[in-house]
Order: sequence, then structure tokens, then C-alpha cells
Amino acid sequence: AQSVAQPEDQVNVAEGNPLTVKCTYSVSGNPYLFWYVQYPNRGLQFLLKYITGDNLVKGSYGFEAEFNKSQTSFHLKKPSALVSDSALYFCAVTLGGTALIFGKGTTLSVSS
Amino acid sequence: DSGVTQTPKHLITATGQRVTLRCSPRSGDLSVYWYQQSLDQGLQFLIQYYNGEERAKGNILERFSAQQFPDLHSELNLSSLELGDSALYFCASSATGDSGQKLFFGSGTQLSVL
Repeated sequence: AQSVAQPEDQVNVAEGNPLTVKCTYSVSGNPYLFWYVQYPNRGLQFLLKYITGDNLVKGSYGFEAEFNKSQTSFHLKKPSALVSDSALYFCAVTLGGTALIFGKGTTLSVSS
Repeated sequence: DSGVTQTPKHLITATGQRVTLRCSPRSGDLSVYWYQQSLDQGLQFLIQYYNGEERAKGNILERFSAQQFPDLHSELNLSSLELGDSALYFCASSATGDSGQKLFFGSGTQLSVL
């Protein structure tokens, strides 16, 4: 069965510092990997995805993620955090033909 | 605005009751997904429909059912409600439902079972 883990419930970072939100996955096969963000009282919004090709994927709002097959990870990164990046971040995985499975989410808090 | 509309935004009801949650997908999207978000379980996939037909089923209870109508809107029916059913229910849509497509989420229906 496929699964995705976000080992940190919360990540705290100061504005201007780089941020990393971790994600590891477990699937038998080649996964499709996604990051979504949820702001308070809103639905999830798509940030970026990895299907195939270049391991470094660039997405919305300056975010990027690196696919690492050997470590089965897909960490979300941003070089310089903004206070407005504070939100709940979800990693998700699917195999071809299956529904998208989400991790439990990581709360990112960026302090000014 | 994602283009996905969910109604109602809030629903308060009592145990044992039945409710219906409604979702209108983005214009042109054929696939609709239902997710349940709770503090203890996180975001759980319930069910997916594509062009009126059930495509995938997740952790959906037998007390819950869904359907997608010819105009592509979808309804999630929750019956014999229990306190533990209190959660935020999201609907999402995508163009064809193929893996690899991004999902567009509605703002959710907050269900409170008292």
C-alpha cells in the first residue's frame, strides 16, 4: 500500500531564512508526488508536482522540491521564507490509476 | 478562487441524522473527489467519481454514499451520523481524473454533529 509521511508536525523559521518541509513516501513503483498548501479557512491549493524528469521541481510562490528516489523523499524548500508562507503544507503521493493520498500535514510558522 | 463550489459552508446537526453535502466542480472538470479532514485522521480520501461513474473508493464508511449527476455536480450523503463524523469535508475536481493532474479544492463544508 502506498503511504506518505511528514515527520514534523510543525516547522518554525525566521523570515528571510531558508525553509525545508520534509516528506517521505512508500510506494511500490514510480510515484507521482505533490505538494499542496492550506491557508486558514480555505481549501488546499496546488504548489508543485513531480511526475518524471528533472529531480528538482519548481512551483508556485518561489517553492521548489527535490525528488530523491534513493531516500524516497520529496522535501519542499524555499530559499527565503516570508511571513505570508505560514500555512499548513501537505505532501501527497499517487501511483498511476490510484487516488491521491495525503500526509498528515506540517504547519509552517514564519516569524518576523 | 478555485472554481469549485461547496454548499453549505457550515452544517450543525444531531447524532442519528442524515445530511447531504453538495459540490459543483470547476467548469469542464469531469472528475470529483471527496475528502474528510479531521485533527486525528488528517486528510482522508473517501471516493472519486468520473463523468458520473464511481472510479475509486477509499476509507468511506458504509453509512456514507455519494453520486455524481449528469450535470457533473456531486453529492455526499452522510447518514446515521455519529459524533466522530464531525469534520471538514472537502470536494475537489480535476479535468479527467488521471493520476498526475492537480486537484482544485473547494473551501469545504464544516460538519458538526452534536
